Amino acid sequence: GQNIDQPTEMTATEGAIVQINCTYQTSGFNGLFWYQQHAGEAPTFLSYNVLDGLEEKGRFSSFLSRSKGYSYLLLKELQMKDSASYLCAVPSGGYNKLIFGAGTRLAVHP
Amino acid sequence: GAGVSQSPRYKVAKRGQDVALRCDPISGHVSLFWYQQALGQGPEFLTYFQNEAQLDKSGLPSDRFFAERPEGSVSTLKIQRTQQEDSAVYLCASSINSGDYYNEQFFGPGTRLTVL
Repeated sequence: GQNIDQPTEMTATEGAIVQINCTYQTSGFNGLFWYQQHAGEAPTFLSYNVLDGLEEKGRFSSFLSRSKGYSYLLLKELQMKDSASYLCAVPSGGYNKLIFGAGTRLAVHP
Repeated sequence: GAGVSQSPRYKVAKRGQDVALRCDPISGHVSLFWYQQALGQGPEFLTYFQNEAQLDKSGLPSDRFFAERPEGSVSTLKIQRTQQEDSAVYLCASSINSGDYYNEQFFGPGTRLTVL
């Protein structure tokens, strides 16, 4: 089966750096996605990692360690608009359905 | 259209009523997924279509849930005899195909269903 864990809530200060962790247990591994979801809106794609290491994309970076079953999303120079839920997900089965964690609600305050 | 659209955005139903939720995927996208998202939780898979074929319906919680995509584009999720536990946001997502795991899924804004 699949199991994905991430912290429920985090708070951070505008301009700071925050790291959101995700651990997973899967039967087979086909990469890991991070999505951002603002309240009442659609999840939007942030990153996809399939190889170990850090991938940087502007203020957001995502890291993967397959041996440890661990990923994190790093958000730099936090802005108020980064207040959202961040969802960790892994594709499963032959049709790429996504198995999501419960999401981490990030609150950025001045 | 520019993205995935869903209608209605909000639906209130009395317990026992039937509801139908519509999804318009991105034009040309082969794969279409339905997810259910309870408050404060991540989305949970319901069912998957490849064109008009429903290839996976393992996530549908009961036989009251039914989905179709008759012409391989628009999809409808129907819930019969709604129950309070059906209250959730129903998300639709499409991707260009299912052959590659890295294919991004594009999500619609969801339909928030409240069953009274």
